[in-house]
Amino acid sequence: DGGITQSPKYLFRKEGQNVTLSCEQNLNHDAMYWYRQDPGQGLRLIYYSQIVNDFQKGDIAEGYSVSREKKESFPLTVTSAQKNPTAFYLCASSMREGTLGNQPQHFGDGTRLSIL
Amino acid sequence: AQSVAQPEDQVNVAEGNPLTVKCTYSVSGNPYLFWYVQYPNRGLQFLLKYITGDNLVKGSYGFEAEFNKSQTSFHLKKPSALVSDSALYFCAVRDLILTGGGNKLTFGTGTQLKVEL
Repeated sequence: DGGITQSPKYLFRKEGQNVTLSCEQNLNHDAMYWYRQDPGQGLRLIYYSQIVNDFQKGDIAEGYSVSREKKESFPLTVTSAQKNPTAFYLCASSMREGTLGNQPQHFGDGTRLSIL
Repeated sequence: AQSVAQPEDQVNVAEGNPLTVKCTYSVSGNPYLFWYVQYPNRGLQFLLKYITGDNLVKGSYGFEAEFNKSQTSFHLKKPSALVSDSALYFCAVRDLILTGGGNKLTFGTGTQLKVEL
């Protein structure tokens, strides 16, 4: 079945450490997204990518980095510069359909990141 | 920028009763609106969307939503709630069409629905 796989499900970060969250999709979607979810704040967009080798900052990109070397993969690195990384991180993708932009986003099951 | 508001943090309803989860929006231009559901420790699942056309939109799992332009609302409804409907519900508005064909969504803060026996 097609879908989005995020790993690991739980991740712990030490002070000063960078950690990378994996996101893989087999939906053949062009666009991919990373969100951060905090209780009571909804989802906030970190980065998004519309095509391989291209990505743009979202609303809260500071302290994060991404790459898009393959269509299927969009890993997120939480760097030591992100001072409050504890959150639930969600990866999503959406189909390309001309320029209508009305296709729903499909989500993975998330990675919960905590600080040790 | 586009925005949505979900005025209720939590909604409680008895099983078998109708449920409504509220959402209001603020957009420039035509609104493109979505509802998603999230179960504990899971990602979001798409329920339904309003793009244009009929004001009553039908979606997955028996849910529907009513678009009201004059009240700038897009409330989620279900005629008869189930205990299994208990989850976190998010309203979202399309903020920006990406030139590559995707979309940038702005999400509300979520409403926790609790359906009790």
